[in-house]
Amino acid sequence: DSGVTQTPKHLITATGQRVTLRCSPRSGDLSVYWYQQSLDQGLQFLIQYYNGEERAKGNILERFSAQQFPDLHSELNLSSLELGDSALYFCASSHSSGGNNEQFFGPGTRLTVL
Amino acid sequence: QQQVKQSPQSLIVQKGGISIINCAYENTAFDYFPWYQQFPGKGPALLIAIRPDVSEKKEGRFTISFNKSAKQFSLHIMDSQPGDSATYFCAASIGNFGNEKLTFGTGTRLTIIP
Repeated sequence: DSGVTQTPKHLITATGQRVTLRCSPRSGDLSVYWYQQSLDQGLQFLIQYYNGEERAKGNILERFSAQQFPDLHSELNLSSLELGDSALYFCASSHSSGGNNEQFFGPGTRLTVL
Repeated sequence: QQQVKQSPQSLIVQKGGISIINCAYENTAFDYFPWYQQFPGKGPALLIAIRPDVSEKKEGRFTISFNKSAKQFSLHIMDSQPGDSATYFCAASIGNFGNEKLTFGTGTRLTIIP
């Protein structure tokens, strides 16, 4: 158990809908990262938040957005869903200090868009 | 642009043998190289990591070898066991604050046969 929690575990929805994925980082970790894992694209970095502020952006679609709240949990919002958005979405957390890049991954949310 | 290339895509090793997975990177700014292990339906779990100031790091049966001049690093699993059967990902990141996102290789599916 990495100490990172994600909900829900599974999500099935229809095209055009909007969903919210939730992540709670390990106790004491200030950074939250979102990654997408799909068969054709592998593990891809989406976005990073550090202590409530957006820190880095990767290949995140404009239909996707995220935020980190004062209690450090994070939410990833996916809107206008398409079939191609079906994937595993992972959240990872790290302390992000002094060059320590150890990232610990949650169990993921499996999103299926029908 | 794939910045971390991983091979082989799949690997079958006999129990007790040595499993070797290789990665090559392009960005010389990378300075943190972790390996992750992922079982089906689970999130990636940090296995072992290395920084470029050392050429080898060993933790139990797992060893990372690092060749800075060749921009390559590899994972060696000694005395491979059936429980090691999983998908392994190499990754790389830049250590400075705000650049900790992980760039992953494409993964190697390792199968240990009795």
